[in-house]
Amino acid sequence: QQPVQSPQAVILREGEDAVINCSSSKALYSVHWYRQKHGEAPVFLMILLKGGEQKGHDKISASFNEKKQQSSLYLTASQLSYSGTYFCGTETAPENYGGSQGNLIFGKGTKLSVKP
Amino acid sequence: DTGVSQNPRHKITKRGQNVTFRCDPISEHNRLYWYRQTLGQGPEFLTYFQNEAQLEKSRLLSDRFSAERPKGSFSTLEIQRTEQGDSAMYLCASSYRDLTYEQYFGPGTRLTVT
Repeated sequence: QQPVQSPQAVILREGEDAVINCSSSKALYSVHWYRQKHGEAPVFLMILLKGGEQKGHDKISASFNEKKQQSSLYLTASQLSYSGTYFCGTETAPENYGGSQGNLIFGKGTKLSVKP
Repeated sequence: DTGVSQNPRHKITKRGQNVTFRCDPISEHNRLYWYRQTLGQGPEFLTYFQNEAQLEKSRLLSDRFSAERPKGSFSTLEIQRTEQGDSAMYLCASSYRDLTYEQYFGPGTRLTVT
């Protein structure tokens, strides 16, 4: 039930692009993306809902392929501040009623290192 | 809005002792979540509240764990008879009920059981 993230780690030079994938074997209602720096709490990046649009702000965007139960996070023209571990948190389709429950299952993370 | 706060930030205890952690969510948030995170892993869901009601508890969670949110504001997580396997970072998050439930995490309480 835990989503699978790939790759496990990636090293970039400043200005390069990266894609992080998150796949689930279950039908998903939403996918949440977080970034966590060492010793700090996870920081919310964005949410993608079933039937929703691709999201993005600044140079970070994400998509959600409902047919494949897969989400991808796109990091464009990476900056040093992008370094950290990226987690996707997934929520399966609610059983009782419509609407998000919010109890997320997180993947193991993708460690991103951006070098000067 | 000061964000989610957690106390204490660090706790060292001996095996068999009881510990209690506190979480103060963002003031207007009515949902509160507890997660546990170990090194190299993503946060693991433990339980969540909507106001004072505990709506779900992980089936993987031992009966030694209990959580309360008596007045729908702050929450406490208690671990009884701690074991070395309980050593982890305990994270609290809060959200405001709307369509998307964006969760904002606190800094966590790091528990070390010796």
